[in-house]
Amino acid sequence: SQTIHQWPATLVQPVGSPLSLECTVEGTSNPNLYWYRQAAGRGLQLLFYSVGIGQISSEVPQNLSASRPQDRQFILSSKKLLLSDSGFYLCAWSPTRQRGPTDTQYFGPGTRLTVL
Amino acid sequence: KNEVEQSPQNLTAQEGEFITINCSYSVGISALHWLQQHPGGGIVSLFMLSSGKKKHGRLIATINIQEKHSSLHITASHPRDSAVYICALDNYGQNFVFGPGTRLSVLP
Repeated sequence: SQTIHQWPATLVQPVGSPLSLECTVEGTSNPNLYWYRQAAGRGLQLLFYSVGIGQISSEVPQNLSASRPQDRQFILSSKKLLLSDSGFYLCAWSPTRQRGPTDTQYFGPGTRLTVL
Repeated sequence: KNEVEQSPQNLTAQEGEFITINCSYSVGISALHWLQQHPGGGIVSLFMLSSGKKKHGRLIATINIQEKHSSLHITASHPRDSAVYICALDNYGQNFVFGPGTRLSVLP
């Protein structure tokens, strides 16, 4: 069966510090991978998605970047955190899409980031 | 006007009640997802719909593509159903737009 891991579960970082959040998927190959953020009191927002190694699409301009160094590894990074980067970050995967509607996305447990 | 709206924003029900949460949208989509977010933040995908109706246990989801409307129904609600329910629009994964969520509290 497939599982998705995220770490750390919680993180408190000072403004201006770097960030690295990691997401890994097990039990599947060539998944589509996604990073979402949910700011306090706001809805979910898609940040990045990837259909393969080294292929990253950004949905919104921001202070963050994403990388996919391996097939089942997705990393969210920042060189200098801002207060507005605080939020709940979720990684998700879906099966490789051939054609037609996207398959169901499966979410990781999330990372709660507080920037002080 | 937001691309996706949900109603009600908050809902309190007594255990056993039938619950309906609505989602209306204004753009073309390839599919619509219903998600459940628990108080701790974890998200579970409940349904993906591109037409018609799906049922899983006490949960039923329907979509009317022509009217751009979807509903999530919970039969015989239970306190463990308390969560935020989010509808999300999917355009072949290129543009995933989330609704604001409906906060459901089911009282024993």
